[in-house]
Amino acid sequence: DAGVIQSPRHEVTEMGQEVTLRCKLISGHNSLFWYRQTMMRGLELLIYFNNNVPIDDSGMPEDRFSAKMPNASFSTLKIQPSEPRDSAVYFCASSFSARQVSTEAFFGQGTRLTVV
Amino acid sequence: QQPVQSPQAVILREGEDAVINCSSSKALYSVHWYRQKHGEAPVFLMILLKGGEQKGHEKISASFNEKKQQSSLYLTASQLSYSGTYFCGTDYFGNEKLTFGTGTRLTIIP
Repeated sequence: DAGVIQSPRHEVTEMGQEVTLRCKLISGHNSLFWYRQTMMRGLELLIYFNNNVPIDDSGMPEDRFSAKMPNASFSTLKIQPSEPRDSAVYFCASSFSARQVSTEAFFGQGTRLTVV
Repeated sequence: QQPVQSPQAVILREGEDAVINCSSSKALYSVHWYRQKHGEAPVFLMILLKGGEQKGHEKISASFNEKKQQSSLYLTASQLSYSGTYFCGTDYFGNEKLTFGTGTRLTIIP
């Protein structure tokens, strides 16, 4: 397996534009996490899916952010409209989770988003 | 709720030892440890489940004190390759939601 794949690796966009980040999970994994990393706030959990269902989106900063899992292997994180303060590295990570079983999370290489 | 790590940064000479702590205000089900090198993604080191387990990975080991709701990562005889930022990730009540601490930047100098 190629691991968790994120695209694009880098994105530069103008304020007000829509941005879509993509993530392909490792085959067989059923949990998907979106994180945002900045120097000031570290690794923030934005949203967590299990078996394609959003379980916890309390970390999503505003209504401008939305995430979907249209199928078991793919997820998108959309920011509309984007703002300069959204500039960060966005990671997705996947794992296999069962009831009260914690397993290793595998991270994608991240998308570095710059909003100018 | 984000776990708290200490110290925030450590500088060591090669061969020295270090301890990184991770504390939570809530009961923990499991603690994950990850290392991230500059410009790269976090990489898994180990998981500890409640029960006071201790684990090892090369010369890196960790303990989990369920009563104190904290975990410690021990790096012995540090190598240059150990440099990076270490994150603990916490999972409360086995709900699989993984929340990371603030990170500890470790720098190893020759």
